[in-house]
Amino acid sequence: EVQLVESGGGLVQPGGSLRLSCAASGFTFSTYWMSWVRQAPGKGLEWLANIKQDGSEKYYVDSVEGRFTISRDNAKNSLYLQMSSLRAEDTAVYYCARYTSGYDCYWGQGTLVTVSS
Amino acid sequence: DVVMTQSPLSLPVTLGQPASISCRSSQSLVYSDGNTYLNWFQQRPGQSPRRLVHKVSNRDSGVPDRFSGSGSGTDFTLKISRVEAEDVGVYYCMQGTHWPWTFGQGTKVEVK
Repeated sequence: EVQLVESGGGLVQPGGSLRLSCAASGFTFSTYWMSWVRQAPGKGLEWLANIKQDGSEKYYVDSVEGRFTISRDNAKNSLYLQMSSLRAEDTAVYYCARYTSGYDCYWGQGTLVTVSS
Repeated sequence: DVVMTQSPLSLPVTLGQPASISCRSSQSLVYSDGNTYLNWFQQRPGQSPRRLVHKVSNRDSGVPDRFSGSGSGTDFTLKISRVEAEDVGVYYCMQGTHWPWTFGQGTKVEVK
């Protein structure tokens, strides 16, 4: 069974940093692109970043480009999102996702990040 | 960025009756490989999103056949043939053709 479990969320001050993790199991992690998606409280969904199987390609939405870094450790079956220069508008539930265009799509349960002083 | 516009944003439905959600994109979603990467997601209250349909009209595994997707180019539709109580939630269209991938605003489906 495919499982994606996010962790690392919490309360952080504006301008601060936080690192999210996503532990993957039930599939061969190293063979899939992986993604981060977020949802502000009571709002819609925003696709943030994608990373290729070997980490050689990364894509970011403009709103996080230069502040967030997606990475992965295939030996640990883990995906990461390093977030810095956090702003109030980054407050959201952050989801890890395994998306394929045709086969299937799995999401984790999400981890809440709150940026507030 | 490609703007995805859904309508309606709120959809009160009667159980057992059909429902339809429209999604329009600001540019064609046909990719260079000929595929159209238009997805539909369902988010039930308190849950993570779940994909229902990929590439316009293909249901994901385990999705009931009362859900169907159609459309082409820039105009797409998700139909529920007979709404059931478990279908309550927010539905999002999402394009995976042009980076950054973008979602519609969401359509809240609720029982009348």
